Amino acid sequence: DAGITQSPRHKVTETGTPVTLRCHQTENHRYMYWYRQDPGHGLRLIHYSYGVKDTDKGEVSDGYSVSRSKTEDFLLTLESATSSQTSVYFCAISSAGTLSSYEQYFGPGTRLTVT
Amino acid sequence: QQQVKQSPQSLIVQKGGISIINCAYENTAFDYFPWYQQFPGKGPALLIAIRPDVSEKKEGRFTISFNKSAKQFSLHIMDSQPGDSATYFCAANNAGNMLTFGGGTRLMVKP
Repeated sequence: DAGITQSPRHKVTETGTPVTLRCHQTENHRYMYWYRQDPGHGLRLIHYSYGVKDTDKGEVSDGYSVSRSKTEDFLLTLESATSSQTSVYFCAISSAGTLSSYEQYFGPGTRLTVT
Repeated sequence: QQQVKQSPQSLIVQKGGISIINCAYENTAFDYFPWYQQFPGKGPALLIAIRPDVSEKKEGRFTISFNKSAKQFSLHIMDSQPGDSATYFCAANNAGNMLTFGGGTRLMVKP
């Protein structure tokens, strides 16, 4: 999985609780992304980062926040989890400034269940 | 609004047959079209990609055909094998390093 780890890999939480997912990369890539995967919807972008402390919203950002204080770590926080946020979450990374800079490499995913 | 539409949602092919998955897009600014393969419990993995200045790209048994005027592209898997059974996603790049994904196709190759 291209030097990308996600933690935790599985989590069950209750509605209304805060949850933080972590993505860690060892590739020193500039771009990092958080996606959610739901049946029939493919992968939808939640937030992305184009550098330390530089982040922006994706297609489905409501209810999520992110932070990137180091190149290697990108955190996704659900401030108050809801059942609609039950999903599989993937982190991805991408380099920049190269011919292959559009290529994104995905982590193994985190399965989150909100009860 | 889904900017990349993928079909079919599921596909069953006999071993040795050809698997064909189609995608259509709307945004003419898209400039990079990758396909990802995903096995159960794993993250998507880049399979093959094409840029709009070529009409076809082949890597082993996998071929992307691209029709810029029709705004369509497709993945062909020749001599399909049971090990190819997976979910396949098309995607398109827009506004720099941003990918929009199709809804996915679950492929089953029967022995």
